[in-house]
Amino acid sequence: DGGITQSPKYLFRKEGQNVTLSCEQNLNHDAMYWYRQDPGQGLRLIYYSQIVNDFQKGDIAEGYSVSREKKESFPLTVTSAQKNPTAFYLCASSIDGGGTFYGYTFGSGTRLTVV
Amino acid sequence: DAKTTQPTSMDCAEGRAANLPCNHSTISGNEYVYWYRQIHSQGPQYIIHGLKNNETNEMASLIITEDRKSSTLILPHATLRDTAVYYCIVRVFGNEKLTFGTGTRLTIIP
Repeated sequence: DGGITQSPKYLFRKEGQNVTLSCEQNLNHDAMYWYRQDPGQGLRLIYYSQIVNDFQKGDIAEGYSVSREKKESFPLTVTSAQKNPTAFYLCASSIDGGGTFYGYTFGSGTRLTVV
Repeated sequence: DAKTTQPTSMDCAEGRAANLPCNHSTISGNEYVYWYRQIHSQGPQYIIHGLKNNETNEMASLIITEDRKSSTLILPHATLRDTAVYYCIVRVFGNEKLTFGTGTRLTIIP
């Protein structure tokens, strides 16, 4: 079945360490996105990529980095510069960069806890 | 994209219709109304979208007022599995970004 896979589901890291969250899709979608969600809050856009080898900052990109070397993969690195990294991270994809009526397909998320 | 306003929370009895309102008074002519829902600790799921006509699919119906300043998502026969946070989003077709607010927490009561 086609979909988006985020791994791991739960991740614990020590403060000051970089950590990379995985996102893989087999939907042949061009565009991919990373969102952050804090308890009781909506989703905030971190980074997005409309094509391979290209990506743009979202609303809260500071302290994060991404790469898009393959169409299927859009990993997110949470760096030590991110002041409050504990959150629920969601990856999404869309068939193109906005030209679809059906919006996004989301993964099941990674819950990152920094101790 | 235009801003939306939704009630923070709502309850609905199981088996009844759940009507979730959304205000988008600053919507422009080329902005679509999208609805997503997020069940606890999962990724949001697309429900339905529309421009100005009422829409219906296997999950829900979307009623958009004639002036397009507000809309209502209707779940015709709510079940316990419909308990979730529902997001109303307006978006220009072709805009690569979806902006999520805090949504409405719908609780279906047995």
